[in-house]
Amino acid sequence: SSELTQDPAVSVALGQTVRITCQGDSLRNYYASWYQQRPGQAPVLVFYGYSNRPSGIPDRFSGSSSGSTASLTITGAQAEDEADYYCNSRDSSGNHVVIFGGGTKVTVL
Amino acid sequence: QVQLQESGPGLVKPSQTLSLTCTVSGGSISSGNYYWSWIRQPAGKGLEWLGRMFSNGRTEYNPSLKSRVTISQDASKNQFSLRLTSVSAADTAVYYCAREGQESGIYWYFDLWGRGTLVTVSS
Repeated sequence: SSELTQDPAVSVALGQTVRITCQGDSLRNYYASWYQQRPGQAPVLVFYGYSNRPSGIPDRFSGSSSGSTASLTITGAQAEDEADYYCNSRDSSGNHVVIFGGGTKVTVL
Repeated sequence: QVQLQESGPGLVKPSQTLSLTCTVSGGSISSGNYYWSWIRQPAGKGLEWLGRMFSNGRTEYNPSLKSRVTISQDASKNQFSLRLTSVSAADTAVYYCAREGQESGIYWYFDLWGRGTLVTVSS
């Protein structure tokens, strides 16, 4: 499969925990990367690989993977975490085609 | 601090060629550690990868656009460019250039992005 599937939208109460999932066959072979995109801005890398968080990204962002599902967890969501989140990986064809999930809109209540 | 900046026309007529340039500052596109990609995003929609260029000039493209996309580099100016031929309204989008890193051959990540440039296809 060459697709990554994300839930279109999730909501979380301020200070609570939210998990965003990304499903795809290619995730059995490759790790996902995760991007936060606020309105009108370019995406920002927030987590990648097994346990990598770029410099400057709060440690409330964490990632995990199991089988064909990758997850991004925000522990103690803040108002500024309200954004679209995209997962990204390779397709499973072996051609190294980059694929993105459709994105999840996170609303912080 | 490496930065990427897209430039090019904001309006292209249907059937014509879209051309954009990404200027990289603070680092060399010729270093072997990174790949250089173009990604686009139609208004209100998700991200679509168009293709990438390796430091040696080799390219890979999204099969869905392969016949229309060309990515090239000008190492002397530390720039890489996108050409998309035979454009239509469906190609209207914000176009981003991005740097891609990889580790161990099992994960890749776009760690730097340009601000993006809106290209509208209209007569």
